[in-house]
Amino acid sequence: EDKVVQSPLSLVVHEGDTVTLNCSYEVTNFRSLLWYKQEKKAPTFLFMLTSSGIEKKSGRLSSILDKKELSSILNITATQTGDSAIYLCAVELGSNYQLIWGAGTKLIIKP
Amino acid sequence: GAVVSQHPSRVICKSGTSVKIECRSLDFQATTMFWYRQFPKQSLMLMATSNEGSKATYEQGVEKDKFLINHASLTLSTLTVTSAHPEDSSFYICSAATVPPYFGPGTRLTVL
Repeated sequence: EDKVVQSPLSLVVHEGDTVTLNCSYEVTNFRSLLWYKQEKKAPTFLFMLTSSGIEKKSGRLSSILDKKELSSILNITATQTGDSAIYLCAVELGSNYQLIWGAGTKLIIKP
Repeated sequence: GAVVSQHPSRVICKSGTSVKIECRSLDFQATTMFWYRQFPKQSLMLMATSNEGSKATYEQGVEKDKFLINHASLTLSTLTVTSAHPEDSSFYICSAATVPPYFGPGTRLTVL
């Protein structure tokens, strides 16, 4: 059965800290791995990773995929209270755009 | 990125009524859209895949007669929750089969 596992499930840090969120997967037909940020509404897209070892960066956020380890990490440096959200990892399968979702990591940044 | 809209954003209805949720792709054509449901503190659960001009494909455990999906045009898919009950209260989100997948803003359904 295809599955995506995120860790930790929740994390509380102080503003300014750096956090690393993990996503591991076991799927039969990997196409890409995606990271989303979800606050009160629907998920907003952060990164799409298809190639191993190539870091994607957007401001204080960065992510990298390790196909050998079947995992990805999402780093957030110099965290701010606005980074508080649920971070979702999803793996896209095959060619039909279907996504397998992790349970999410709830990140709380304390001022 | 691609824009997907959903309407309504929030609906409260009485038990037994039907509720229709619309999902539109605003600046592109979407032959395939996905409908998800998300309960509090849980991740997204795929309900069905909506295909323009053909029947939707439902995930195991999702009642197709209760959750009617119509994808009559390349820019509109609708999800109708028929005879809604309190246990159907949830956050319903659609997404388009884009690269990467973009989501509508979601519809929060509360059934009294």
